Parts: sequence; structure tokens; C-alpha cells
Amino acid sequence: DIQMTQSPSSLSASVGDRVTITCQASQDISHYLNWYQQKPGKAPKLLISDASHLETGVPSRFSGSGSGTDFTFTISSLQPEDIATYSCQHFDHLPFTFGPGTKVDIK
Amino acid sequence: QVQLVESGGGVVQPGRSLRLSCAASGFTFSTYSMHWVRQAPGKGLEWVAVISYDGSDKYYADSVKGRFTIFRDNSKNTVYLQMNSLRAEDTAVYYCAREVGGLANSPFDYWGQGTLVIVSS
Repeated sequence: DIQMTQSPSSLSASVGDRVTITCQASQDISHYLNWYQQKPGKAPKLLISDASHLETGVPSRFSGSGSGTDFTFTISSLQPEDIATYSCQHFDHLPFTFGPGTKVDIK
Repeated sequence: QVQLVESGGGVVQPGRSLRLSCAASGFTFSTYSMHWVRQAPGKGLEWVAVISYDGSDKYYADSVKGRFTIFRDNSKNTVYLQMNSLRAEDTAVYYCAREVGGLANSPFDYWGQGTLVIVSS
């Protein structure tokens, strides 16, 4: 199975800050990488698919990049409503595995 | 609008069974593959199982293979997860999720709100 790692596991930043999260796959997954946002007590929400495709309705401050084994998720200007846990997920082949998540909060 | 509503969770003793349901609305259910994903308390997400749009193909995580069965009733717009021989480590919130397209080759674009399963004596 492909293992997904994320760093950092948590971060605290100020409103307006640029936030970057990295995700690494244990083997080449091309661009088959998604990013989900999960707020406390809520279901995950798909933000970015195919490593860099922003889903309809998702604010443009969110972005993703990368391919192969190394991926990056960025919030260009952190907003209070972005407080959540962000998880990467590969969909190269089953089983789809998720990263452990990065908890983002406001400093 | 697309809605997925899970039900059937609860407290169950180890070794017993439970059946979860996920009722779908707002889209043509019979044309989408559906997944179950779980999240243990304070932990990350774990993919559990997938079923193709017509129920002909099913795949499972190794952790549940042989104990859990995914099936669907397209006439009722519902996907199920039959969970047998439950263990303490199956304790989690269980989500159903719709796959964007195809079978096991695309993201999950809609998720239900989840149903909590607690396996405890």
C-alpha cells in the first residue's frame, strides 16, 4: 500500500499569513492526489483534485502543486474560516490512503 | 442538491454485527460508485470499501476484508455496509462518499455527515 505523510502535523498562523503544507507519497502517484478540508465535527470537503485542480466554489486562496511523490498545499492568505484539518489522499490505485492530516489554527 | 445521510451507528459489543445505511438524494445514484471511509476518534481518515455503480464490483481494505460487506439497492438509492465480527479497533465515525466518476480512479466529491460506531463491552 502507498503510505502518505504530511508535515507539519499542526501549525498556528496569523490571519493573512501564507500557509504551506507538504504531502509525500511512498511511491510515484503522478498527479493522483487530492486535498480535503475537515472542520471539527464535520465531513471532509474536497478542495483540490488532481494535485492542482481547484474545485468549483473553493476560494482562490487555496492552491495545490506537485507530482510524483511530493506535493504542496497552500493557503495564500489565511482566513478565520480556514481553521480546519487538511488531509491529502492519493487515488492512484486501491487502497486509497490518506495522510494523517495537518491541523491549522489561528495564532 | 446532493445529499448523503448515514444511519445505523451505535454501541455494539465485540463480535457482534451492525449494518450501516447511506441514503442518497439529489443525483442519479445508480450511475456513481460509492465508498465508505472511517475515522477513529482523534485519528486520520481510513478508506474502507467501494462498490461500483451497479454493484458488480466491490473492493475492501485489508483491515475489514472478510468481515465487512458493501452492497447497494439502486431502487432505494441506498448503499449499505454490513459489519460482522466487530472489534474495538472498528470504533469510528463512518462516512459514505460519492466518487466523482468511474470506479476507484477519482476523488470523493460529496460526503455524508457520518455515523458513529462504538465497539465496546
